[in-house]
Amino acid sequence: DTGVSQNPRHKITKRGQNVTFRCDPISEHNRLYWYRQTLGQGPEFLTYFQNEAQLEKSRLLSDRFSAERPKGSFSTLEIQRTEQGDSAMYLCASSAIQGDYGYTFGSGTRLTVV
Amino acid sequence: GDSVTQMEGPVTLSEEAFLTINCTYTATGYPSLFWYVQYPGEGLQLLLKATKADDKGSNKGFEATYRKETTSFHLEKGSVQVSDSAVYFCALRASGNYKLTFGKGTLLTVNP
Repeated sequence: DTGVSQNPRHKITKRGQNVTFRCDPISEHNRLYWYRQTLGQGPEFLTYFQNEAQLEKSRLLSDRFSAERPKGSFSTLEIQRTEQGDSAMYLCASSAIQGDYGYTFGSGTRLTVV
Repeated sequence: GDSVTQMEGPVTLSEEAFLTINCTYTATGYPSLFWYVQYPGEGLQLLLKATKADDKGSNKGFEATYRKETTSFHLEKGSVQVSDSAVYFCALRASGNYKLTFGKGTLLTVNP
């Protein structure tokens, strides 16, 4: 078990470009979450998958954001037409359905939009 | 809605000092409560948790007690080390829910 892996660790992009992040959860975890953390703030919930089904999307997730989890394994988060306000740390986490094991977070992808 | 309020930082202590970081919450029912720690350049790590009133979570010398009457979950450590320097987040998960609601975080710096 190598934990939750996120790639890339850092991404610098020009405003208006599209970016995609990847998250590989712990293999036996059915639930996968995306959170966004801006400077000086705690993480905020973006979206949640149970297996391959996306069951909830936050109002923070505008139409420019899309997330997928094909086959219930890894997940991708895509941001289209990036804006400077999208600059943040994007955190992925996973958890098991059964029990109360809590989340395991990845190290995050830091996005800077210039 | 659910919310978590943490004491404002930053907090600067000398090594071996006593640490308290206050955390209060607002939630319906009986949420689970968590403290997460974030070291520089890293993701969040679960430090400790408590799932019902009067439970005490503990790990690595840190402790926090779930106080339903005061809706609090204050983090304490008797003797901090330089290696404890990090950002600490208090969080809750409402009963029957899967989402975590975080406080804004408290930056702790421990000087030798």
